[in-house]
Amino acid sequence: DSGVTQTPKHLITATGQRVTLRCSPRSGDLSVYWYQQSLDQGLQFLIQYYNGEERAKGNILERFSAQQFPDLHSELNLSSLELGDSALYFCASSVAGTKGYTFGSGTRLTVV
Amino acid sequence: SQQGEEDPQALSIQEGENATMNCSYKTSINNLQWYRQNSGRGLVHLILIRSNEREKHSGRLRVTLDTSKKSSSLLITASRAADTASYFCATPGYSGAGSYQLTFGKGTKLSVIP
Repeated sequence: DSGVTQTPKHLITATGQRVTLRCSPRSGDLSVYWYQQSLDQGLQFLIQYYNGEERAKGNILERFSAQQFPDLHSELNLSSLELGDSALYFCASSVAGTKGYTFGSGTRLTVV
Repeated sequence: SQQGEEDPQALSIQEGENATMNCSYKTSINNLQWYRQNSGRGLVHLILIRSNEREKHSGRLRVTLDTSKKSSSLLITASRAADTASYFCATPGYSGAGSYQLTFGKGTKLSVIP
């Protein structure tokens, strides 16, 4: 157990639907990062939050949004889902500064 | 875009042999990190080497960094079947306000045959 908790582990949904992925960071970590991993694109950075505030955006589609709550857990919302959104979605957390990340075990999203 | 690129893409060795993976990157860095990912699972941080370090060891892992060539290598000595995984290098990119995000390469898939 890495200390970063992601739910659900697996999600199967239909095109056009909306889903919410949840992440609880490791205790004491203020930064949360979301990544998408697909076979063709590799690991792509989506968005970062630090202590409730958005800090950076990467290759995140407009159909996707995220937030970090006062208790530091974060949610990634994916809407108007397309087949191409099928991927592993990872959450990672870190303390401030240039340290390593701690990753969760991911949510495998399958859009059918 | 990928900052780090690992080489080779795939590597198959016998148990007990050493495995070497390489990573090249494009821009100046503060540090470089290596991660391992077992199939379909989360990434695990292995080691971080700072830009002013040339070599770092952690157990059976040895990482080198050559900032003049913008390259790093990860050596796993006396490999075990349990080392079978994908290995990624990652470099931080800064977005201001002290924030940085890691950019990952596409990884090297290592298979260790018992």
